[in-house]
Amino acid sequence: DTGVSQNPRHKITKRGQNVTFRCDPISEHNRLYWYRQTLGQGPEFLTYFQNEAQLEKSRLLSDRFSAERPKGSFSTLEIQRTEQGDSAMYLCASSLGTGGPQETQYFGPGTRLLVL
Amino acid sequence: DQQVKQNSPSLSVQEGRISILNCDYTNSMFDYFLWYKKYPAEGPTFLISISSIKDKNEDGRFTVFLNKSAKHLSLHIVPSQPGDSAVYFCAASGHTSYGKLTFGQGTILTVHP
Repeated sequence: DTGVSQNPRHKITKRGQNVTFRCDPISEHNRLYWYRQTLGQGPEFLTYFQNEAQLEKSRLLSDRFSAERPKGSFSTLEIQRTEQGDSAMYLCASSLGTGGPQETQYFGPGTRLLVL
Repeated sequence: DQQVKQNSPSLSVQEGRISILNCDYTNSMFDYFLWYKKYPAEGPTFLISISSIKDKNEDGRFTVFLNKSAKHLSLHIVPSQPGDSAVYFCAASGHTSYGKLTFGQGTILTVHP
C-alpha cells in the first residue's frame, strides 16, 4: 500500500498525559499537512511542512502542540498535557510539493484521540 | 468565520438518479476547489477538483461546476449508486495560503437501492 499511513489509529489517554502521533506520507511527496476534525465538522488545518521546513501554523496549534518532520519524510505531532477538548480525529495528508498551491492533498486514515 | 459552507447537512436520493451537492464560499482569494468523500473511521478520499480558470470538470460519474460570480460550486453524481453513500466535503485553497485547505462542514449523502 503506497498511501498515507498514520499510527496509532486510536489512542485513549487521561487528561494531562502527553501523546505523539506519527504520519508517513506517500514516498515521493514533499509536502505534509496536519488537520484536526471534530464531530460534525470538516477538517481544520493545523500546520504544514515543505520537506523538513514547517511553513505555516494555524492559531489552533497552541503551545501544547508541536509538529516535526526532521528528515523530510515522516512527521510526528505531539500534544502535551492533553485536555478533553483535544479529543478529535487527527488527519495527515501529503502532496507532491513541486507545483504551486493547486495541489491535491491525499489523506491518511487518521488517528482518533479520546482524552478522558 | 465559515469561509466554505455546505448548507445541506444531508441529502437522500434513489439509486440511478442524480445527486447534487452544493458548496458556497466567501473568500475571493480561493482559486482551487476540491471534493472529498469520507466513510466512517476513514480519512477523506479525493474525488475531483477544479481550478478557477475553468467552470466545469468531469471525471466519470462525477462532474464539478464552478460559478465564480456566485462563489458557488456543485458536485453532480450521475447515476448515483448505493456505494456513493458517504459524507462529502468541499474544500478550497488560494495562492495566498499555500497548502492550506479550508473545508465545509460536509453533507451526508444516502443513496437508496
